[in-house]
Amino acid sequence: GAVVSQHPSRVICKSGTSVKIECRSLDFQATTMFWYRQFPKQSLMLMATSNEGSKATYEQGVEKDKFLINHASLTLSTLTVTSAHPEDSSFYICSAIFRGPGPFYGYTFGSGTRLTVV
Amino acid sequence: AQTVTQSQPEMSVQEAETVTLSCTYDTSENNYYLFWYKQPPSRQMILVIRQEAYKQQNATENRFSVNFQKAAKSFSLKISDSQLGDTAMYFCAFNTGGTASKLTFGTGTRLQVTL
Repeated sequence: GAVVSQHPSRVICKSGTSVKIECRSLDFQATTMFWYRQFPKQSLMLMATSNEGSKATYEQGVEKDKFLINHASLTLSTLTVTSAHPEDSSFYICSAIFRGPGPFYGYTFGSGTRLTVV
Repeated sequence: AQTVTQSQPEMSVQEAETVTLSCTYDTSENNYYLFWYKQPPSRQMILVIRQEAYKQQNATENRFSVNFQKAAKSFSLKISDSQLGDTAMYFCAFNTGGTASKLTFGTGTRLQVTL
């Protein structure tokens, strides 16, 4: 249980175009989702926290107009990289909080999207 | 602000041996949660083990166990009987609890299990 499906797994786009990445919670309702960026051989850097029905909260230094996040339903959050440039090339990962029995909760992660901007 | 430090960028262990990965953290909170995640070459993040700060007993999951020292703010991961499939990047992570609480990750330790 608690699976997050992330698509696409890989995408190549031309500089100046926009790319949308989707994350769907398959068997639970994801009130909160997180979007991370990971550079090669580095840790996950939190970009923003997405809450269903409200505006995303962006981390310091992340351009909200560049990385548009929409969390319109309890099962879908999207990240759109607008006017992509080569420096936006990276590995993007989504994560959602799921509730278990009692007070337990955990984090489940999508399989990631490798974005290459040419 | 909370920080998580992993001082070992890379480690190597022979198959069937035991290895310990270090993690320290800094927080002023009293209630929080600690996690170890594994990221194999597929890059899928996999939960290895979690520990609630209010629990004194160290968490264990089969071959994986932790040494949680709350006063020292230390949370090391011990992998026993290492297997080739344990080769991965390991991240220590922390959060303060709550249903919308974000994870703070360490810089990671790359573990290579050799024959």
